[in-house]
Amino acid sequence: DTEVTQTPKHLVMGMTNKKSLKCEQHMGHRAMYWYKQKAKKPPELMFVYSYEKLSINESVPSRFSPECPNSSLLNLHLHALQPEDSALYLCASSQGHDMNTEAFFGQGTRLTVV
Amino acid sequence: QKEVEQNSGPLSVPEGAIASLNCTYSDRGSQSFFWYRQYSGKSPELIMFIYSNGDKEDGRFTAQLNKASQYVSLLIRDSQPSDSATYLCAVNIIGDSNYQLIWGAGTKLIIKP
Repeated sequence: DTEVTQTPKHLVMGMTNKKSLKCEQHMGHRAMYWYKQKAKKPPELMFVYSYEKLSINESVPSRFSPECPNSSLLNLHLHALQPEDSALYLCASSQGHDMNTEAFFGQGTRLTVV
Repeated sequence: QKEVEQNSGPLSVPEGAIASLNCTYSDRGSQSFFWYRQYSGKSPELIMFIYSNGDKEDGRFTAQLNKASQYVSLLIRDSQPSDSATYLCAVNIIGDSNYQLIWGAGTKLIIKP
């Protein structure tokens, strides 16, 4: 099972809404990631959790708040987003956050902020 | 600035031919190299990874790594229309205190029937 599952697949939210993106993996991976991807651009790293602890926060605005309730789950809480935050949000996981770290991606959540 | 460079394309290849995708990187300390395929509107899918100099083959795909020249390439033999996608090169480097995956901008590949 090399599956990373993200929900929802699509999300439309207003600028005053609060929503959450969810990610789940059952591969025993100890590193999980949130990426943001705009059209025709490569993925842009937002956060890295290693062994359920936040190890990298790439200067992401506080309107994005990650949470790792356990080793299989990763959430991204959204609040007061802007239209420019509309993008494909990707969750990924890997065995560890180290040199030879093959990351597997979920199918993504297409987020539209209106 | 640690960079990964790819030709954005599009690279157009006739069906059945060999598609050759190239990637160069700036950090000599880079240790591991990945090729992802991404169909339009979908998420990246890992297709190859390579850690050592030389060639690594997996089915129709061959990854080639030359650390001295700082390039990594992906060859796709017997190209099929279903191979049409954007191919992203990613390089794992040691950052300030952590490993970082640096992404190229991707090469759009079009296989013409």
